Amino acid sequence: GIQVEQSPPDLILQEGANSTLRCNFSDSVNNLQWFHQNPWGQLINLFYIPSGTKQNGRLSATTVATERYSLLYISSSQTTDSGVYFCAVRGAGGTSYGKLTFGQGTILTVHP
Amino acid sequence: GAGVSQTPSNKVTEKGKYVELRCDPISGHTALYWYRQSLGQGPEFLIYFQGTGAADDSGLPNDRFFAVRPEGSVSTLKIQRTERGDSAVYLCASSWQAHDTQYFGPGTRLTVL
Repeated sequence: GIQVEQSPPDLILQEGANSTLRCNFSDSVNNLQWFHQNPWGQLINLFYIPSGTKQNGRLSATTVATERYSLLYISSSQTTDSGVYFCAVRGAGGTSYGKLTFGQGTILTVHP
Repeated sequence: GAGVSQTPSNKVTEKGKYVELRCDPISGHTALYWYRQSLGQGPEFLIYFQGTGAADDSGLPNDRFFAVRPEGSVSTLKIQRTERGDSAVYLCASSWQAHDTQYFGPGTRLTVL
């Protein structure tokens, strides 16, 4: 099946700093989502971005489908940005239209 | 509107017991998914429903796990003869159609003693 790798595994920032999280995937995809899992375990949708670029406030994401990677940018980080960031993809091939495959996540800690 | 809800939020059971976990999807969503998340890992796919039928159950680990969605809305994940290795957070998600954005519920934390 499709493989998803996220980097870095851990990231520690001072409040106000910028960061870039990366997601590499091993095959063509027709769905890619970025999530933030907060300390209470809730998975919060950030972006649905199988290709192209989107922005939402201090967050933006870019997916280059032909090169099989996606980037999540966090600008002017805040302590509330802390948590685990997951990239999840659905492969374009096969018979399952539903299954998302998740990466291992990036643990982000923002210090005040 | 209301998001995906899951009950119970926590479930503690003894090895060998039977448990049921419930998921209420977002109203109108035709696709429903179950995932399982172990500590320090990303969620792993279990099963996907389109309407009332299981379109893909390839992620169910063995025949102790079973899920239903009889009326195309609420779904129940059923685990027989629970084992300590079943302890995890069970997440439910829903979407309008299979290719659309999936929205996750808060999860049920299952602990098997």
